[in-house]
Amino acid sequence: NAGVMQNPRHLVRRRGQEARLRCSPMKGHSHVYWYRQLPEEGLKFMVYLQKENIIDESGMPKERFSAEFPKEGPSILRIQQVVRGDSAAYFCASSRNGRLEQETQYFGPGTRLLVL
Amino acid sequence: GNSVTQMEGPVTLSEEAFLTINCTYTATGYPSLFWYVQYPGEGLQLLLKATKADDKGSNKGFEATYRKETTSFHLEKGSVQVSDSAVYFCALSEMGGGNKLTFGTGTQLKVEL
Repeated sequence: NAGVMQNPRHLVRRRGQEARLRCSPMKGHSHVYWYRQLPEEGLKFMVYLQKENIIDESGMPKERFSAEFPKEGPSILRIQQVVRGDSAAYFCASSRNGRLEQETQYFGPGTRLLVL
Repeated sequence: GNSVTQMEGPVTLSEEAFLTINCTYTATGYPSLFWYVQYPGEGLQLLLKATKADDKGSNKGFEATYRKETTSFHLEKGSVQVSDSAVYFCALSEMGGGNKLTFGTGTQLKVEL
């Protein structure tokens, strides 16, 4: 019974390159959340997706960042033209039906992005 | 907007000592409150939660009580073990808030023999 899977676990990019972070939710979960943890800070919400829909992207930077959760395959967080300030740990979480009172968000191990 | 404030770490304790990690929150409505734990190199795991005032969440010897009057959700454990060494995050979600969690900055706990 695999948990939330994220890959890669570590990603190194040079400034200006693209970063693609993948998240496979737990089996039976159709809700995915992305959070970013900057050094010495707590996790900050970025985006909430259901299959093929973005429900809430209020935490996403307006430029260079995008997210998708296609009908088939993992959720992807894409960062174009990365800058040093994008260096952080990116965590994905999933839940079954999105109501936290009943369903817990389960977190993946995170992707540590380092921009050189 | 919503916010969560935790005591700064690191907190260093001897094994079998009593643990308290303070957490206070600001929210416009009636949030659900959570404690998550992050072990080195791993993702966050839900430790306990409470969904309404005066509820007590408990798990693995840890407890926290939802205090609406003081807007607090302090984490306690009577006797810590070395294996409890981790970073602890307090978090909230608000009814109708789109299911997103608002986290505190985390408190690192180190338990020594």
